[in-house]
Parts: sequence; structure tokens; C-alpha cells
Amino acid sequence: EAQVTQNPRYLITVTGKKLTVTCSQNMNHEYMSWYRQDPGLGLRQIYYSMNVEVTDKGDVPEGYKVSRKEKRNFPLILESPSPNQTSLYFCASSPLSGGPVPKETQYFGPGTRLLVL
Amino acid sequence: GDSVTQMEGPVTLSEEAFLTINCTYTATGYPSLFWYVQYPGEGLQLLLKATKADDKGSNKGFEATYRKETTSFHLEKGSVQVSDSAVYFCALSDRASGTYKYIFGTGTRLKVLA
Repeated sequence: EAQVTQNPRYLITVTGKKLTVTCSQNMNHEYMSWYRQDPGLGLRQIYYSMNVEVTDKGDVPEGYKVSRKEKRNFPLILESPSPNQTSLYFCASSPLSGGPVPKETQYFGPGTRLLVL
Repeated sequence: GDSVTQMEGPVTLSEEAFLTINCTYTATGYPSLFWYVQYPGEGLQLLLKATKADDKGSNKGFEATYRKETTSFHLEKGSVQVSDSAVYFCALSDRASGTYKYIFGTGTRLKVLA
């Protein structure tokens, strides 16, 4: 089954304790992205990657890091989480080259709900 | 910078009513436009898309037309069902400079009553 998986789905942590949220897709998509969803603000893009070893900042990258060492994986790293990073996080992937799925159609993971105390 | 503005919700309708959710955008280039839907407790799913001016995207009875002259991409459905209750997001993909940055609107919650 074609899918984007995220782990963990729920996480409670404390300020300053480094954490990683994993994201993996099995569709061989070039493009992967991280978003945070907050009430009244919709989805805001944190980082995106157009291919292996190619990453770029979205609208709200501060306090986050990413890496793209393999095509299928795109982990989100919070080196020193703070309470303002409490949010619902979504990973997404999308094809950029030709194929059966229209380009730029994003497939979203189920979300990771993070609470930073 | 690029932006997407969509009408605030919640929108509450009776079953079989006509739905319009307004969306306007600003972009420097020629973006692709999308509507995504989020059902409770789930991630977003693509509802429809349009890649150039005057294109009409359609799916599951929903339609939206890419209007470059009014920079709009309003979502419409002729007869809503209870199962359409969800949050709807308008979005654009900015392909300027060869990148694919995505901008989402704030979302519009739709509640359909039986």
C-alpha cells in the first residue's frame, strides 16, 4: 500500500530535550516536506526537500532541522524543543517527475501530535 | 511573498445545499492551485487541482476553476452531504525559481447537518 508513515504519532516531552520525528514514504517520490498545523494558522511549511541531499527552508524553519540522506526518509529534528513548538506535524511527499500520479500531488502522513512542556 | 486567503468558517449547511468556499491568492509566478480536505483525526487528502489559467479541477462533485484575472480558485459543490463535513484547505505551489514551495490557507471548516 502506497503511504507516508510518521513516528511517533503522539509525543510529550520537556523543554530542551532533543527529539526526532521520522517520516518515510514508499512511493519513490522526489519531493518531501514537513508542515505544522496550528489553530487559526492552517498549515505552514517548515522545510522541504526536492531530492536526496537537497533541502530548503519553508516559511517557519526556526528551531527545526531536517536531513535527506535517502530518498524514502525525511526526519524532522528538534534540537532544543520549546513550548511554542507544541503543534500537530505532518509529513508529505509528492512526485516531481512523470508517472501515473499527477506531479505536485502531495500525499500526507497521519500526523504527529507534539506537546512540549 | 506568496499567500492564500480563504473564507473563515465554520460554514454550516443543511444537506443538499449549495456550497461555495472562497479562495484567493497572490503569487509572483504561475502557481498550481489545489484544494485539500482533512477529515477528523486524519491527514490531508488532495481533493482537486488546476495547473493553469481557466483549468477546472473536479472530483466527488466538487469543482474549482483557476481564474487568473481575479486570482481566485473558489470551491463549489451543488449538493453537499453529511459525509462532506471536514476542513477544506486551499493551497498553491509556487514553482518560481525551480522550487516547489507550498502555501496553504488557514482552512475552512464545513459542517453539514442532516
